[in-house]
Amino acid sequence: QSVLTQPPSVSEAPGQRVTISCTGSSSNIGAGYDAHWYQQLPGTAPKLLIYDNSNRPSGVPDRFSGSKSGTSASLAITGLQAEDEADYYCQSYDSSLSGYVFGTGTKVTVL
Amino acid sequence: QVQLQQWGAGLLKPSETLSLTCAVYGGSFSGYYWSWIRQPPGKGLEWIGEINHSGSTNYNPSPKSRVTLSVDTSKSQFSLKLSSVTAADSAVYYCSRGFLESGGFAVRRFDYWGQGTRVTVSS
Repeated sequence: QSVLTQPPSVSEAPGQRVTISCTGSSSNIGAGYDAHWYQQLPGTAPKLLIYDNSNRPSGVPDRFSGSKSGTSASLAITGLQAEDEADYYCQSYDSSLSGYVFGTGTKVTVL
Repeated sequence: QVQLQQWGAGLLKPSETLSLTCAVYGGSFSGYYWSWIRQPPGKGLEWIGEINHSGSTNYNPSPKSRVTLSVDTSKSQFSLKLSSVTAADSAVYYCSRGFLESGGFAVRRFDYWGQGTRVTVSS
C-alpha cells in the first residue's frame, strides 16, 4: 500500500474551492523531499499539474495551487469547473523504500 | 515537443514474461531517467523502476526481483520485462520521462507520459 495518504474523494459545487491533502511521514515529505501533483482524467495518462510543491508547468491554470508543510502536501483548486472532475495523485520520494511513491489518489467530483 | 509511444503484448498467461517498449520522440534521450509506472484496474499508481541512457537503474523493492529494464540509445527506446506474471500484475503500464531539478531534496517528476498499455494476465 502507498505511504502517502489522500482522502478517497472530495466534492463541491462549480465555482467553489476544494483542497486535497497528501499525508506522508519522516521518510518522505517530512524529511524535506518535494511533492508533485498529477491530474488523471478518465481513461487517460496522468498529467503533471504541480511540481516542486507549488510550481505550475506552462499551461496549467492558476486555479491550481500547491503547498507543503511538515509531513504533508496540499493541492487547492479554486473556481472549480466541470472539467476538473478527475483523479488527483501526489508523488514524492521515500528514503526508506529508496524509490518514488504515489499517494492513494483522490477523486474530485463537481456537483 | 516530447512524445512517448509504447507498445507490447496486452494478454498474457500466468508465469509468462511481460515485455513492453517505449520510444521517445523529440527532445534529448540522455540527461533523463526513464520510468515505468503501472496502475491496476480501479487502483492507484505504482512506480516500477527507472533507467538512464547509460543503463543505470533504480527499482521499486517490489517487484524488483522480477523486473529487468534495458535501453537502446541508438533508437531512443527503453524496455520493461517482468517475469513470472500473475493476475496481480494486470494493470495499465505507462512509460514516463523523469525530470530532476538540482537540489538536496529535489524529487524527480514525471513530466511526459506514454499513452499506456493495458496488460491482462489470465489463464
